[in-house]
Amino acid sequence: ETGVTQTPRHLVMGMTNKKSLKCEQHLGHNAMYWYKQSAKKPLELMFVYNFKEQTENNSVPSRFSPECPNSSHLFLHLHTLQPEDSALYLCASRSGTGDTQYFGPGTRLTVL
Amino acid sequence: DAKTTQPPSMDCAEGRAANLPCNHSTISGNEYVYWYRQIHSQGPQYIIHGLKNNETNEMASLIITEDRKSSTLILPHATLRDTAVYYCIVRPNFGNEKLTFGTGTRLTIIP
Repeated sequence: ETGVTQTPRHLVMGMTNKKSLKCEQHLGHNAMYWYKQSAKKPLELMFVYNFKEQTENNSVPSRFSPECPNSSHLFLHLHTLQPEDSALYLCASRSGTGDTQYFGPGTRLTVL
Repeated sequence: DAKTTQPPSMDCAEGRAANLPCNHSTISGNEYVYWYRQIHSQGPQYIIHGLKNNETNEMASLIITEDRKSSTLILPHATLRDTAVYYCIVRPNFGNEKLTFGTGTRLTIIP
């Protein structure tokens, strides 16, 4: 248990659906991250937030829309996804003064 | 970030020490060596990191060569629960948001 929770753990959605992934950290951290891990590929950084401000968007398509309402919560809003977007989506957080990222358990997303 | 090279897979007998190598020949002076692991279908888990001195914690030991071009992660008494993909990552300790994951080493602990 890392102190980073993600819901739902599994999600199946159609290409026309709109859904959201939620990440919550109980560690008092100020930085939060979204990563994508496709089958047999390395983790890919998607977005970085520091103190609720987005500081990095790693050329992610606009069908993925992040939201960080406060330092403890991070959302990833999904709409009109493609089957190739099926992957494990991981959230991580980091202390503002630290260097270690703590990961949640991930959401396994399947797009039909 | 400097690139790392790791063997794609390794086996280790349960109860023995697992030694996982990592080459990082282009590491810069301000870059640390980090190790994470990922058990199947879970999020990566931080293990240990170091700059140039050897480090030990409750999970593992990290041995960094004097020239810092390679390192070894040691799990002293491997258990079946240590079966995972182990990632060696180099990055500056501050001022860099990214953890760039490679393909890692798939470690299988054999009963």
